[in-house]
Amino acid sequence: GQSLEQPSEVTAVEGAIVQINCTYQTSGFYGLSWYQQHDGGAPTFLSYNALDGLEETGRFSSFLSRSDSYGYLLLQELQMKDSASYFCAVREKTGANNLFFGTGTRLTVIP
Amino acid sequence: GAGVSQSPSNKVTEKGKDVELRCDPISGHTALYWYRQRLGQGLEFLIYFQGNSAPDKSGLPSDRFSAERTGESVSTLTIQRTQQEDSAVYLCASSLSRMETGGPSSYNEQFFGPGTRLTVL
Repeated sequence: GQSLEQPSEVTAVEGAIVQINCTYQTSGFYGLSWYQQHDGGAPTFLSYNALDGLEETGRFSSFLSRSDSYGYLLLQELQMKDSASYFCAVREKTGANNLFFGTGTRLTVIP
Repeated sequence: GAGVSQSPSNKVTEKGKDVELRCDPISGHTALYWYRQRLGQGLEFLIYFQGNSAPDKSGLPSDRFSAERTGESVSTLTIQRTQQEDSAVYLCASSLSRMETGGPSSYNEQFFGPGTRLTVL
């Protein structure tokens, strides 16, 4: 089986930096993805880490460490519109092509 | 260009009725996925289509659930004899092709539709 654990809720101040962690247990996977979902909206792709290290895309960065079974999403210069749920996801090396999603982290940005 | 579209956006039905949900993927996307999301929960994989290959049905929760896809276009998810536990948002996603193992992000992105909110009374 597999599991992806994330904190259920995180609150941060506008303009600050926040890190959302994802720890996983899986027999093997191709890469770690992050998706953002606003209330009532569809998930939208943020980033993908195939290899260990940091991937940067504007205000958002994502990190993966396979040896530590750990990844995180880093959001800088937080804006009110960043308030949303964030999901990490993996595609396992089982032959399936679907994504297995984490439990999700609800981020609330406060003024 | 147009994104993934789903219909209906909302569906209210009575327990025991059958429902059919529709998904129109992005043109050119050969891979199509269905997920279920219960309120406040993560996404639960249901079924995956890739071109003309046999679908991966490993996520379907029971034999009341089935899905079809015509070629590389529209897909329909059918739930027979609906139960209250089926109430959820059903999300469809498409991607360019079978996701690459180490390719760039663009090859690993799934594009989601707005979902169909199903309420079973």
